[in-house]
Amino acid sequence: KAGVTQTPRYLIKTRGQQVTLSCSPISGHRSVSWYQQTPGQGLQFLFEYFSETQRNKGNFPGRFSGRQFSNSRSEMNVSTLELGDSALYLCASSHGQGLYEQYFGPGTRLTVT
Amino acid sequence: ELKVEQNPLFLSMQEGKNYTIYCNYSTTSDRLYWYRQDPGKSLESLFVLLSNGAVKQEGRLMASLDTKARLSTLHITAAVHDLSATYFCAVEAGGGADGLTFGKGTHLIIQP
Repeated sequence: KAGVTQTPRYLIKTRGQQVTLSCSPISGHRSVSWYQQTPGQGLQFLFEYFSETQRNKGNFPGRFSGRQFSNSRSEMNVSTLELGDSALYLCASSHGQGLYEQYFGPGTRLTVT
Repeated sequence: ELKVEQNPLFLSMQEGKNYTIYCNYSTTSDRLYWYRQDPGKSLESLFVLLSNGAVKQEGRLMASLDTKARLSTLHITAAVHDLSATYFCAVEAGGGADGLTFGKGTHLIIQP
């Protein structure tokens, strides 16, 4: 069974630009969660999607948004990038009822210059 | 607001020694998770602890959960160099409404 995949793996953007990251969950998983990891703030929950609906959201500004498609693939978008958005963005998939047994993808390393 | 505290945050130990990482959390939890992260890599799931008194073991690692004390421990027995990594505990509470809340991680270095 293929694991969680994320694309791209590495990305360099300039302040003010926007970026879209993609996550494909494990086959059969309907929930996708996104996390941001930085040295200063650690791992923080961004949002969770289940059956194309945002079910939960962390404490991030509206510049961070996401969506989920009918095949459970998810994208997250960050608009008007700031230097502080430089981070490793991880997505995790699970079957869907609650967050039991989340499986994490390899992450996308975003650098904002 | 759920808070998760790990200690120590940094640990350097010698091969063959035993040690314990502690994870305290501030509110009632649904589940508690332990993850391992190698440098530049993603999170690898180690254990999921569901109920009070739960104990799970895999190789040289053993995790336990005391929901009354709001404490989980990750015990390392006879450490080997390959266990060098950062270990995170994470708590799911409130039905997962806030996702997983992670501790800051314990950076473990095991020296020969």
